[in-house]
Amino acid sequence: GAGVSQSPSNKVTEKGKDVELRCDPISGHTALYWYRQSLGQGLEFLIYFQGNSAPDKSGLPSDRFSAERTGGSVSTLTIQRTQQEDSAVYLCASSLKAARMSQETQYFGPGTRLLVL
Amino acid sequence: AQKITQTQPGMFVQEKEAVTLDCTYDTSDPSYGLFWYKQPSSGEMIFLIYQGSYDQQNATEGRYSLNFQKARKSANLVISASQLGDSAMYFCAMRVNTGGFKTIFGAGTRLFVKA
Repeated sequence: GAGVSQSPSNKVTEKGKDVELRCDPISGHTALYWYRQSLGQGLEFLIYFQGNSAPDKSGLPSDRFSAERTGGSVSTLTIQRTQQEDSAVYLCASSLKAARMSQETQYFGPGTRLLVL
Repeated sequence: AQKITQTQPGMFVQEKEAVTLDCTYDTSDPSYGLFWYKQPSSGEMIFLIYQGSYDQQNATEGRYSLNFQKARKSANLVISASQLGDSAMYFCAMRVNTGGFKTIFGAGTRLFVKA
């Protein structure tokens, strides 16, 4: 496809269960970002990948959150032992290259709406 | 520390009029980029416009222009000739080169365009 895709689009889970969220970036984009957007809030940076490595994990809120990227393409964000406060929209974005240039435009996917009951 | 402030939680504008959405930022890094994104009710984030810290001229993209005042650390978005489809949340964001390529977003401004 032409844009960033994410799956599932919606996920309802029970407290304590693990969830996996998937992001397919735009083909050829080497940089990939995960954000979280709680209801009515701005975006909170979680993690950034350049290729398969994650030079910046500073935004992960706890050790229950982890992410990986394989083949320089698809990324999965895993939340273990989900809590109700994890309920949010999880957005993925990609850019052509993270580079040293701050103007690399990020293109966002539609997000995964996670609800933890 | 870097910070983005959007002080207008909500704004109303009459269709066909211009509107300015405020954004101020704080960083000690001399090299940074400023972005505006639109988020309609459908939830996707749509890139609108970019301004680099070293750019001499204000950025423009169609009906969008960025009023960049570096000394005041402000990067207001101006939307000319508002349309009903402009009703959405608007986020100002900043990325600094020494910030691990982290993009920091403001809390957003919800714009309502009245017919």
